[in-house]
Amino acid sequence: AQTVTQSQPEMSVQEAETVTLSCTYDTSESDYYLFWYKQPPSRQMILVIRQEAYKQQNATENRFSVNFQKAAKSFSLKISDSQLGDAAMYFCAYRSSLNNNDMRFGAGTRLTVKP
Amino acid sequence: DTGVSQNPRHKITKRGQNVTFRCDPISEHNRLYWYRQTLGQGPEFLTYFQNEAQLEKSRLLSDRFSAERPKGSFSTLEIQRTEQGDSAMYLCASSSSGNSNQPQHFGDGTRLSIL
Repeated sequence: AQTVTQSQPEMSVQEAETVTLSCTYDTSESDYYLFWYKQPPSRQMILVIRQEAYKQQNATENRFSVNFQKAAKSFSLKISDSQLGDAAMYFCAYRSSLNNNDMRFGAGTRLTVKP
Repeated sequence: DTGVSQNPRHKITKRGQNVTFRCDPISEHNRLYWYRQTLGQGPEFLTYFQNEAQLEKSRLLSDRFSAERPKGSFSTLEIQRTEQGDSAMYLCASSSSGNSNQPQHFGDGTRLSIL
């Protein structure tokens, strides 16, 4: 079974600085999808960025980028120029291309942004 | 469209009572998912619908849980004879079909507290 591990329960970053959130996963599949979701306090979870495993190029969305290392099964999220509104729980998620109904989430990383 | 809508936002009930939650997905999405999220954890998959058909159920979905999507639009999740361990946030998500990397869009969730 696929598992997703986020080894950092909490992280903090100074406003305008850069922070990297770690995520590793375990799978025997070669084709799959990886996601980072953001869940602000008492608000809904929203998609931050996604990566298809067959693509070697790291995905980028404005200030958010990933470092996808397929061989190492690592999928870290880098947030550049951190803003106060980035404070939230961040969840890494894995979804198989064979069974794309079952998305596995990590336990999350709580990000605090200091002014 | 305002996104995935869930009602109620909070539900407090005594142990042993039945509860029902509702989810209204994004109108053009034919896929609907239910997740459970406990404190400090990521969401855990419960069940999935494509249109009105319930195609997959997790082992987490005990016999006391039942989900329906009678007309392929909104869905309900019912928990019978609630137990303390049922206390959690219940999240609904929807997505369109097509490419399997379509992201899931989440609602605000229903927080269930069992007294």
